Amino acid sequence: NAGVMQNPRHLVRRRGQEARLRCSPMKGHSHVYWYRQLPEEGLKFMVYLQKENIIDESGMPKERFSAEFPKEGPSILRIQQVVRGDSAAYFCASSNTGKTQYFGPGTRLLVL
Amino acid sequence: KQEVTQIPAALSVPEGENLVLNCSFTDSAIYNLQWFRQDPGKGLTSLLLIQSSQREQTSGRLNASLDKSSGRSTLYIAASQPGDSATYLCATTQGGSEKLVFGKGMKLTVNP
Repeated sequence: NAGVMQNPRHLVRRRGQEARLRCSPMKGHSHVYWYRQLPEEGLKFMVYLQKENIIDESGMPKERFSAEFPKEGPSILRIQQVVRGDSAAYFCASSNTGKTQYFGPGTRLLVL
Repeated sequence: KQEVTQIPAALSVPEGENLVLNCSFTDSAIYNLQWFRQDPGKGLTSLLLIQSSQREQTSGRLNASLDKSSGRSTLYIAASQPGDSATYLCATTQGGSEKLVFGKGMKLTVNP
């Protein structure tokens, strides 16, 4: 059973470009969570999704950030018009019961 | 609002010592508490999960305890090895939600 997969593992964008981060949950998992780890800071919750629904987006910045988890395919975290402050490691986690969360390897975003 | 604290932020010990890592949280209304390990530039590996109804969990040389009433969890590492060197993160849930609130982690260095 493959674990949580994230791609790309590393992403470089220039200011103003768009970043798309993908997360494929573990097989059978229908809950997806996105967290962000800024340099020298702890992980912060961003958004919690179930298939086709956003359950909790209380940690998402109000502008430029969006997330989806379609019926088919991976969950996508989209950042429009990236700024240098968006540089961070973005982690996805999945679960099938909303209890134990299994984390992916993360996508490290660098904004130049 | 749940807050998770890990003190100290870093610890350096000689190989073979038994270690105690501390985690405190402010809101005792939790679903569970998880301990993770993070290696530099890598994702999170779940070490132990303690459900709110449990007092402790064990896996190999690791033992985690939970005292909800005092808002504390402790991770014991027996007979530490250089391979245990990593950052250890404590995370718990917030109120009735499933999102995880993380401490900033404790960087452990075990010297041969």
